[in-house]
Amino acid sequence: ELKVEQNPLFLSMQEGKNYTIYCNYSTTSDRLYWYRQDPGKSLESLFVLLSNGAVKQEGRLMASLDTKARLSTLHITAAVHDLSATYFCAVDTDSGAGSYQLTFGKGTKLSVIP
Amino acid sequence: GAGVSQSPSNKVTEKGKDVELRCDPISGHTALYWYRQSLGQGLEFLIYFQGNSAPDKSGLPSDRFSAERTGGSVSTLTIQRTQQEDSAVYLCASSLVASYGEKLFFGSGTQLSVL
Repeated sequence: ELKVEQNPLFLSMQEGKNYTIYCNYSTTSDRLYWYRQDPGKSLESLFVLLSNGAVKQEGRLMASLDTKARLSTLHITAAVHDLSATYFCAVDTDSGAGSYQLTFGKGTKLSVIP
Repeated sequence: GAGVSQSPSNKVTEKGKDVELRCDPISGHTALYWYRQSLGQGLEFLIYFQGNSAPDKSGLPSDRFSAERTGGSVSTLTIQRTQQEDSAVYLCASSLVASYGEKLFFGSGTQLSVL
């Protein structure tokens, strides 16, 4: 059974600081997704990482994937209040039968404090 | 439409009643997914549809849950004889196709409360 673990689950950080959220997964996969969820809202796709060493950046967020370590990171640079949200990573469940299920981590709730 | 539309946004029901949740995907998206989000379990896959292919039902937690997709567009998730543990937010998502690497576009969800 595929397990996806994020840490930390809760993160409170000051504006202007940098921090990294980690996502570990338990089985071979080269497809890793990051989503953002604002309170009371739905999930919004942030990044799709499709190969070992993939790095994507959007504004103050940068995501990377190391498939050998089964690890993805979401790095936050110079945090601002607008980044406060819950961030989820997800991995394809590769059953080999063409099953397009995502297994999600439990999410990291980020609060950026002025 | 502009995004994935779900209705109702909130549903309160009594234990033992049946409920129907509706999802209208983005126009032109051939793949449609249902996920469930609850405090204890996080986000769980339920079922997905791709075009006219047989749906992948492997995530449905019991035979009280069923879903259909009519005309390759609107989908309905039905929960029969609801139980309190069914209380959760039911999220629908769609994508252009069902393929690795496809972004999913999620609706705002239906908050189901079973009393």
